[in-house]
Amino acid sequence: GAGVSQSPRYKVAKRGQDVALRCDPISGHVSLFWYQQALGQGPEFLTYFQNEAQLDKSGLPSDRFFAERPEGSVSTLKIQRTQQEDSAVYLCASSPRPIRGENTEAFFGQGTRLTVV
Amino acid sequence: KNEVEQSPQNLTAQEGEFITINCSYSVGISALHWLQQHPGGGIVSLFMLSSGKKKHGRLIATINIQEKHSSLHITASHPRDSAVYICAVRGPPYNTDKLIFGTGTRLQVFP
Repeated sequence: GAGVSQSPRYKVAKRGQDVALRCDPISGHVSLFWYQQALGQGPEFLTYFQNEAQLDKSGLPSDRFFAERPEGSVSTLKIQRTQQEDSAVYLCASSPRPIRGENTEAFFGQGTRLTVV
Repeated sequence: KNEVEQSPQNLTAQEGEFITINCSYSVGISALHWLQQHPGGGIVSLFMLSSGKKKHGRLIATINIQEKHSSLHITASHPRDSAVYICAVRGPPYNTDKLIFGTGTRLQVFP
């Protein structure tokens, strides 16, 4: 596709339900990021993949959050036993392989707005 | 204290006004991004800067590395410029594209 695609665009989950959010990065982009954006706030880093390797998951807020990218392209962010505080927009971004000392553009998807009721 | 601070948080303007949004950061960076986010929409990258100044249409972005400060200017503002403008920096570790975001500046331009 032409850009980063995320699905679903909107998700309403009952508290305690598990959800799975999908990100299709730009074809050939090696780096993939997940960010969480609470209402009125800037996005905050969750996790980073380089190909299928999850190199940084320091931003995941709890062990209920899990992300994978098994074949180095599509990624899924899974949230187990959702809580109200998980309500946010989840943004995915991809970029070409980062090379130390070089700066590359980040391309963002439209986001998935998760509301936990 | 946030590593990336933006001001103002909210900004209203009349069509045609010159607009400035400021960003200050406290970490060493390899690049700074200005991003635009429309309500309900995703994020669009406007500029990526590591020094100096860039211009695209009515948008101008500047960065002063020594002062750890960047500004985004919009000349001849238009209602379609209404959006949230977010400053984000690429800080350590420098071998990734991980971004640290400001909280954004909500701009409303009235006709």
